[in-house]
Amino acid sequence: SAVISQKPSRDICQRGTSLTIQCQVDSQVTMMFWYRQQPGQSLTLIATANQGSEATYESGFVIDKFPISRPNLTFSTLTVSNMSPEDSSIYLCSGSTPGEAFFGQGTRLTVV
Amino acid sequence: AQKITQTQPGMFVQEKEAVTLDCTYDTSDPSYGLFWYKQPSSGEMIFLIYQGSYDQQNATEGRYSLNFQKARKSANLVISASQLGDSAMYFCAMREANSGGYQKVTFGTGTKLQVIP
Repeated sequence: SAVISQKPSRDICQRGTSLTIQCQVDSQVTMMFWYRQQPGQSLTLIATANQGSEATYESGFVIDKFPISRPNLTFSTLTVSNMSPEDSSIYLCSGSTPGEAFFGQGTRLTVV
Repeated sequence: AQKITQTQPGMFVQEKEAVTLDCTYDTSDPSYGLFWYKQPSSGEMIFLIYQGSYDQQNATEGRYSLNFQKARKSANLVISASQLGDSAMYFCAMREANSGGYQKVTFGTGTKLQVIP
């Protein structure tokens, strides 16, 4: 199966700043997604990263707060903008092919 | 309405015994896929097993098997011969096409499994 390298693995950020998370897949994948996992919770889909076009956001998530890029089939970034302590979560990227969906290692973000 | 329902927030199982983790789903898409993931305390998501909606046989991967009952919309995970290392959160997930035609994966709330020596 494909391997996703996600970085950074963790960060501590000041409120009001922005953090960009990168995901690199070692093979082409059909779909890429970004998720948030708040402490003790399940995964919530933020958006579907579309190659070469604007991401498709889920209800409650907006592009100004979570801009996403996907310039090709193997790479995507998520930016968490103007951070507040409520953004402290694990952020995970996912790649999907028919029959499997797999994840990066996750980014554990703490906003202080 | 919940797309994926896991009704067991926590489960205990004796080492070497089998355990079943429940998952029911709701979709109108005729073509969908069901996944199970394991998340240990380290936080990484580990893919365990996949079942496609058109697959005729239940999926199996080593000690993991998926009891797929399409008419009942259930996809329970069976772990045989439990090991201490199986203690983790387990998530059921479903991939389906959304209203825009994009495939997306939705997760259940998870079941925390603890294996007792």
